[in-house]
Amino acid sequence: EAQVTQNPRYLITVTGKKLTVTCSQNMNHEYMSWYRQDPGLGLRQIYYSMNVEVTDKGDVPEGYKVSRKEKRNFPLILESPSPNQTSLYFCASWGVSSYGYTFGSGTRLTVV
Amino acid sequence: AQRVTQPEKLLSVFKGAPVELKCNYSYSGSPELFWYVQYSRQRLQLLLRHISRESIKGFTADLNKGETSFHLKKPFAQEEDSAMYYCALSNYGQNFVFGPGTRLSVLP
Repeated sequence: EAQVTQNPRYLITVTGKKLTVTCSQNMNHEYMSWYRQDPGLGLRQIYYSMNVEVTDKGDVPEGYKVSRKEKRNFPLILESPSPNQTSLYFCASWGVSSYGYTFGSGTRLTVV
Repeated sequence: AQRVTQPEKLLSVFKGAPVELKCNYSYSGSPELFWYVQYSRQRLQLLLRHISRESIKGFTADLNKGETSFHLKKPFAQEEDSAMYYCALSNYGQNFVFGPGTRLSVLP
């Protein structure tokens, strides 16, 4: 089944403790992206990647890092999480032959 | 710059009433427009893509380049249509831009 898989689905962590949210797609899509979704603010793009080793900042990149060493994986790294990064995070992928954006199930992160 | 606006944060209609969710965009070229839907506690799902010009779950959307709009319409709303709806723009392989979303509430 074609899908975007994010892990974990839920995560509670403490301020300053590095964490990684993984994202993997099995559709050979070139384009991958991370969004955060907050009440009243909609979806805001954090980072995106056009292809392997090609990444660029979205609207709210501060406090986040990404890497794209393989086409299928696009992990989101929070080096020193802070409470204002408590949010619902979505990974998405898109390919030139695809119908549209495919989203993962989301990761609900709470930083205390 | 690319931008997508959805003027209504919340839209409430009664079951059986017509629905129109507004979307306007700004883009200098010819973008690709989408509507995504997010049901409670679920992932975003693609609802419509303007190129396909098809109807999904009774929803349709027409791209009006003159008014730079891509409004989503349904003639008779159902309770199961209650969800968050996002309009999005893409420049064919470049970045995606999402609107702020409109929460549709269909009342019984």
